Amino acid sequence: GAVVSQHPSWVICKSGTSVKIECRSLDFQATTMFWYRQFPKQSLMLMATSNEGSKATYEQGVEKDKFLINHASLTLSTLTVTSAHPEDSSFYICSAKGTQGRYGYTFGSGTRLTVV
Amino acid sequence: DAKTTQPTSMDCAEGRAANLPCNHSTISGNEYVYWYRQIHSQGPQYIIHGLKNNETNEMASLIITEDRKSSTLILPHATLRDTAVYYCIVRVADTGNQFYFGTGTSLTVIP
Repeated sequence: GAVVSQHPSWVICKSGTSVKIECRSLDFQATTMFWYRQFPKQSLMLMATSNEGSKATYEQGVEKDKFLINHASLTLSTLTVTSAHPEDSSFYICSAKGTQGRYGYTFGSGTRLTVV
Repeated sequence: DAKTTQPTSMDCAEGRAANLPCNHSTISGNEYVYWYRQIHSQGPQYIIHGLKNNETNEMASLIITEDRKSSTLILPHATLRDTAVYYCIVRVADTGNQFYFGTGTSLTVIP
C-alpha cells in the first residue's frame, strides 16, 4: 500500500517551453504533497508544499510563477515548470502524506528533466 | 526540526552488518528519528523510525541511545542492493510538516 506514482519518469524539452509533472497517490488520499528538487550529487531540496484545494506554500528562493503547483484532488498534484531553461534541469521528486496520520511519507520515483 | 550529522560515506562488505551512525544532539522530546534511503536516480524509500525505544522491521534495526542524542541504523546482512545514500532525519511526527533532508551517508556494499 501507499504507492505514489510520478509521471513522466524522464522528459527532455526545449528551452522556453513548459513541462508538467504529475504526482498521484494510487491507493490512499493525500491531503498534502511535497515537491523536491535534486541536483547531481546533492541532497533533496524542498521546493513547495501543496495542500488539496488551496494554494501551495513555496520555500524561500523558489519562484512560484515559474514552478506552478496544482493540487486539485486528494490523489493528484502537478508541478509545471514554465519557460524552462537549462538551469532547471534536475531530478524532481514528489512525496505524499496520507489522511490517516501516517508515520512516514511516501515518495514518488522522480522525474528527470533535461532542458536543451 | 533538529539537525543531524552523518558521515559522508561508508563501505561495508557484502553479507556483513552495516552500521550507520547519526548524531542529533539537539533533538526535542517530541521528535522522532526517521531513516530513508535513496538508490541512485530513484525516490527516497522509508526504512524505519523511532522515538526512544529500539525498533526492528524486515529491513533494518534502529538503535537510539538513552539520551536520544544519537542513533544507529543497522542493516544486518548487507547486500549489493543496499548500496544507496542513507538519510537520518528528525522531526515531529504527524504534524503535516515536510521532511528536510541533510547530506546523508553514501553506503557502498562491496562484493
